[in-house]
Amino acid sequence: QKEVEQDPGPLSVPEGAIVSLNCTYSNSAFQYFMWYRQYSRKGPELLMYTYSSGNKEDGRFTAQVDKSSKYISLFIRDSQPSDSATYLCAMSVVQGAQKLVFGQGTRLTINP
Amino acid sequence: GAVVSQHPSWVICKSGTSVKIECRSLDFQATTMFWYRQFPKQSLMLMATSNEGSKATYEQGVEKDKFLINHASLTLSTLTVTSAHPEDSSFYICSARDNREGHETQYFGPGTRLLVL
Repeated sequence: QKEVEQDPGPLSVPEGAIVSLNCTYSNSAFQYFMWYRQYSRKGPELLMYTYSSGNKEDGRFTAQVDKSSKYISLFIRDSQPSDSATYLCAMSVVQGAQKLVFGQGTRLTINP
Repeated sequence: GAVVSQHPSWVICKSGTSVKIECRSLDFQATTMFWYRQFPKQSLMLMATSNEGSKATYEQGVEKDKFLINHASLTLSTLTVTSAHPEDSSFYICSARDNREGHETQYFGPGTRLLVL
């Protein structure tokens, strides 16, 4: 079993739809949670990071963490074609560990 | 924001040559940088952790004599692929750890695409 599971998709939705991207994890020591967006042939771009359970909002993006269920989500409202990319969840332990553990990434396409 | 640059962005070389890739944190100091490798349609695979002023820590299965890492300053880490072969062709991405606000976050460079002929 992988430490972090993420549905690779692909996921295709119409423009304006609400998108939900999810990851589950097995290591309860994970405390920091991140979402990265990666366009084709580019490096990942940090979108959101959280370190507690609950919701964090930034513009059209909302990150949600449920530590009791070991489940994190990223919601995209009013999706745009420019949101088409691969979305990677990543997480790390608070102290000592310096490594990020990534999910497989979900390929998202927003259709105009 | 936090900006990380990589140079070159792409390189084509002949088999047997060595290639050096630079990773720079432009607006913050990074005591720790990471080197990843990514195959098409796959996630990032951590190769090694680069610590300023000390030896890099390599992940299991990564040849340290093949992939030489040097972290000579707080803003620069280099990855040298020695005696490159076609199977080393890949997308190499670095990241720099930003501890300025006490958060465990990494910012990634734009990546370097290596093609070995």
